[in-house]
Amino acid sequence: GNSVTQMEGPVTLSEEAFLTINCTYTATGYPSLFWYVQYPGEGLQLLLKATKADDKGSNKGFEATYRKETTSFHLEKGSVQVSDSAVYFCALMRETSGSRLTFGEGTQLTVNP
Amino acid sequence: DVKVTQSSRYLVKRTGEKVFLECVQDMDHENMFWYRQDPGLGLRLIYFSYDVKMKEKGDIPEGYSVSREKKERFSLILESASTNQTSMYLCASSLGRPSNSPLHFGNGTRLTVT
Repeated sequence: GNSVTQMEGPVTLSEEAFLTINCTYTATGYPSLFWYVQYPGEGLQLLLKATKADDKGSNKGFEATYRKETTSFHLEKGSVQVSDSAVYFCALMRETSGSRLTFGEGTQLTVNP
Repeated sequence: DVKVTQSSRYLVKRTGEKVFLECVQDMDHENMFWYRQDPGLGLRLIYFSYDVKMKEKGDIPEGYSVSREKKERFSLILESASTNQTSMYLCASSLGRPSNSPLHFGNGTRLTVT
């Protein structure tokens, strides 16, 4: 079946540090891949997405590249801010799943000033 | 901007009560979803719907039912609440086409069953 595995958290960084949150997936076919972010007390917001191999999604300084050969979609940011503190979820959507998302466990990020 | 509104942010109910969680979206989306969020488990799909009066079971439908009488409204029903249904419940909606349209989420309802 489909599954998404994220690096375990929590992750704690200092402001301006480099961020990587690893995400790997298992799925047949060519799923679309997403990163969602959940700020404290809020629902999930779409951060970025990629729909085919080698696509790069980007938004708010975050980037992730769809790597089919390694079945990965790692999230990166060159310089994090305190306001990036949140929970980050990697997710996949298969072509035949009827818009259903399968989520990873989520990674809590805390950025200290 | 798409707005998905969940009627309650916090609910406290007793074991055995019938509980209704309401969700409304304002962008004429065809698809609607109910997820529950638990620490260490991420989000798990309970039920979803592609159209009015249609419903499909997700990965963990046991103990839940849903209702979609109007396109904009999707209700989650706990027929007899139990303590293991204490959780954060998230509603989401998306366009029917293209099929990989992203989901838009509400702010969640934190349900406590005592």
